[in-house]
Amino acid sequence: QQQVKQSPQSLIVQKGGISIINCAYENTAFDYFPWYQQFPGKGPALLIAIRPDVSEKKEGRFTISFNKSAKQFSLHIMDSQPGDSATYFCAATKNNQGGKLIFGQGTELSVKP
Amino acid sequence: EAGVTQFPSHSVIEKGQTVTLRCDPISGHDNLYWYRRVMGKEIKFLLHFVKESKQDESGMPNNRFLAERTGGTYSTLKVQPAELEDSGVYFCASSQDLRGSPLHFGNGTRLTVT
Repeated sequence: QQQVKQSPQSLIVQKGGISIINCAYENTAFDYFPWYQQFPGKGPALLIAIRPDVSEKKEGRFTISFNKSAKQFSLHIMDSQPGDSATYFCAATKNNQGGKLIFGQGTELSVKP
Repeated sequence: EAGVTQFPSHSVIEKGQTVTLRCDPISGHDNLYWYRRVMGKEIKFLLHFVKESKQDESGMPNNRFLAERTGGTYSTLKVQPAELEDSGVYFCASSQDLRGSPLHFGNGTRLTVT
């Protein structure tokens, strides 16, 4: 049973466009929701994270939107650039479990010039 | 600050053989995690060390997998004997503490069992 469902599996966006990746979770005890970015041959790297006491968090061109009642959260990449092409993973955990993350299946983003 | 280092980066072995993966966490990080990603699926938690102690090994697939962290520094993950379904990318990650500090991942070891 997959506790965090991520969509789409792959995404192609034109340079300058908005990339949107969605995740849904089941466990209402989750209280920390990070997004990781992974380039080929590298490990995942923390991109941005949110806790459920806020509905939105923005860092530069990256924004997380969080809907607690719907148990959904999404990553928006504004003004997408070819350098953003990577695999993106959403994840969830309970704060007291720290690094024991439950990951989504990943989204391969390709930004075309 | 040196990152999390994993060795080897790739390993190709035959079914039934033994493979040992190594992870050197960031210096001073007491928490060390092993994760695995099987082709195209989600990254799955395997186990968590706090210093040399296994805190949580609920994600270990079966008793063919053995993880150790002697002295609380580097960790090894041994697969013996390897099966075809063990193929995937094995990631190690470390963090300073449980609450609030981010996970730092290594580049992974790609294991192929033929």
